Amino acid sequence: GESVGLHLPTLSVQEGDNSIINCAYSNSASDYFIWYKQESGKGPQFIIDIRSNMDKRQGQRVTVLLNKTVKHLSLQIAATQPGDSAVYFCAETKYGNKLVFGAGTILRVKS
Amino acid sequence: DAGVIQSPRHEVTEMGQEVTLRCKPISGHNSLFWYRQTMMRGLELLIYFNNNVPIDDSGMPEDRFSAKMPNASFSTLKIQPSEPRDSAVYFCASSLGQGSQLSPLHFGNGTRLTVT
Repeated sequence: GESVGLHLPTLSVQEGDNSIINCAYSNSASDYFIWYKQESGKGPQFIIDIRSNMDKRQGQRVTVLLNKTVKHLSLQIAATQPGDSAVYFCAETKYGNKLVFGAGTILRVKS
Repeated sequence: DAGVIQSPRHEVTEMGQEVTLRCKPISGHNSLFWYRQTMMRGLELLIYFNNNVPIDDSGMPEDRFSAKMPNASFSTLKIQPSEPRDSAVYFCASSLGQGSQLSPLHFGNGTRLTVT
């Protein structure tokens, strides 16, 4: 029978190109945001986080941008590699509240 | 650091049977979370503990689900009796801090539960 489930957006990029994964969060009061990467058969893996008093944070090959005005979060991956292929989740929370995950975006890297 | 350790990795059981999932959080972390992941609903928080005390169990779907944290290094999630709709991947995660306050969650590799 036909499977029914979340239809995750897919981003396909060429190896070596930069990737930008976007996320619209729901709670304007959220003050902490996290990006996770999930590979097949594994749990979500922490990539980078950002607090609401910042609008940009850089890690190794990754940058997170936060636009609180439009409740938008993005993850930029520089020089995307085949090992970056995974599902990427943004998550948001407000102090003392639950961490809420987005539906996820599939990143496919073409060699 | 061994990370969050979950067991078993896979569990196949028949409807009506009791299922127990186990989790060892990262040493020193004081918050522990149980999540369920399905294609239909994505990642859902079931329950979380802080300093071994359940803080929010509003995500636990039914009374068939229960979770315990007898000490800082061990937690269980029990389903009794199990039903086919419980089939999912169950993740345990831990963090340092109150809930997820300013501290990322670290996840285990999950238990894939199949109830036939």
